[in-house]
Amino acid sequence: NAGVTQTPKFQVLKTGQSMTLQCAQDMNHEYMSWYRQDPGMGLRLIHYSVGAGITDQGEVPNGYNVSRSTTEDFPLRLLSAAPSQTSVYFCASRRDSYNSPLHFGNGTRLTVT
Amino acid sequence: AQSVTQLDSQVPVFEEAPVELRCNYSSSVSVYLFWYVQYPNQGLQLLLKYLSGSTLVKGINGFEAEFNKSQTSFHLRKPSVHISDTAEYFCAVSGIQGAQKLVFGQGTRLTINP
Repeated sequence: NAGVTQTPKFQVLKTGQSMTLQCAQDMNHEYMSWYRQDPGMGLRLIHYSVGAGITDQGEVPNGYNVSRSTTEDFPLRLLSAAPSQTSVYFCASRRDSYNSPLHFGNGTRLTVT
Repeated sequence: AQSVTQLDSQVPVFEEAPVELRCNYSSSVSVYLFWYVQYPNQGLQLLLKYLSGSTLVKGINGFEAEFNKSQTSFHLRKPSVHISDTAEYFCAVSGIQGAQKLVFGQGTRLTINP
């Protein structure tokens, strides 16, 4: 029972490099989202998706791209990494029902130097 | 839009003492409210949620929270804490009609001392 799986767990990038954070869920959840967690700021929503082919922006979308070609996968792309993107990134999913809880992955710790 | 304020960034308590973690929210529409817990090096897990009905909601691990609409608060309580409750706790809110966007508070780090 894998739930939400994020890879990699750790990543170090140089400024200007690009990379993709992977997120996969095996619960057939329609809704998926990406958050970043920074000290003293809680979790902030980057992008979310309510189903394959449908994505929308959250609070802090700048510098990030997403796509949703399948129900299972929701990758997050950093086009040109900046030190301000140093953070812990969490992917979360839930059933397409507003009162369903979010299921979180274990996070990806990203450092941009 | 909704916002959440957790009034304490850190709360130290002794084992077996009661604890209250405070959460206030702001919204112009009706809301759903949640408390999540994050243990070290893990993702978040749902503790409890308020959707409608009774204002006192019970969650896992002996936690409960009370929704107070007039004070726009959703404080989390436990009558007797254990070492294993050491974690970071997040309050979160979503508007009923905009429920795709769950907004989190800044978090409260609960430390239990023996």
